[in-house]
Amino acid sequence: EAQVTQNPRYLITVTGKKLTVTCSQNMNHEYMSWYRQDPGLGLRQIYYSMNVEVTDKGDVPEGYKVSRKEKRNFPLILESPSPNQTSLYFCASSPPGPTDTQYFGPGTRLTVL
Amino acid sequence: SQQGEEDPQALSIQEGENATMNCSYKTSINNLQWYRQNSGRGLVHLILIRSNEREKHSGRLRVTLDTSKKSSSLLITASRAADTASYFCPFISSGSARQLTFGSGTQLTVLP
Repeated sequence: EAQVTQNPRYLITVTGKKLTVTCSQNMNHEYMSWYRQDPGLGLRQIYYSMNVEVTDKGDVPEGYKVSRKEKRNFPLILESPSPNQTSLYFCASSPPGPTDTQYFGPGTRLTVL
Repeated sequence: SQQGEEDPQALSIQEGENATMNCSYKTSINNLQWYRQNSGRGLVHLILIRSNEREKHSGRLRVTLDTSKKSSSLLITASRAADTASYFCPFISSGSARQLTFGSGTQLTVLP
């Protein structure tokens, strides 16, 4: 089944403890992206990647890192999480070509205490 | 980046009625998409309309685009309880590297 998977789905952690949220897609998509969703603010893009080893900042990159060593994986790294990073996170991928439809993962709900 | 703005923020209708929600944006666009999000879940793509198209249909969905007014509308006909969700109209800005810009969405509630 074509899908975008994220792990973990739920995570409660404490301030300053490094964490990684994994994202993987099995559709051979070139483009991958991370968003965070907060009440009243819609989805805001954190980072995106046009292809392997090519990443760029979105609208709210502060406090986050990403890497794209393989086409299928695009992990989101929080080196030193803070409470303002408590949010619902979504990974998305998109095939090459003009359609630009993005396929979203199920989301990761992160709470930083 | 300029966000799309969905209107109304919330809409409540009876099952079987039609639901119309609107979207406005501020920049030139390549295309505009509509997505649905059930509570706390991932977004599901519904329909994409390109800047040179004026209307598009998919099942019970009808989307219009007016680039002169920088607005779009989504019509869901004969709504069902399962249509209860948030609806978003992100867009790809002209010249963007596939960066979708989202608004806060319209929360649709379909009452049985």
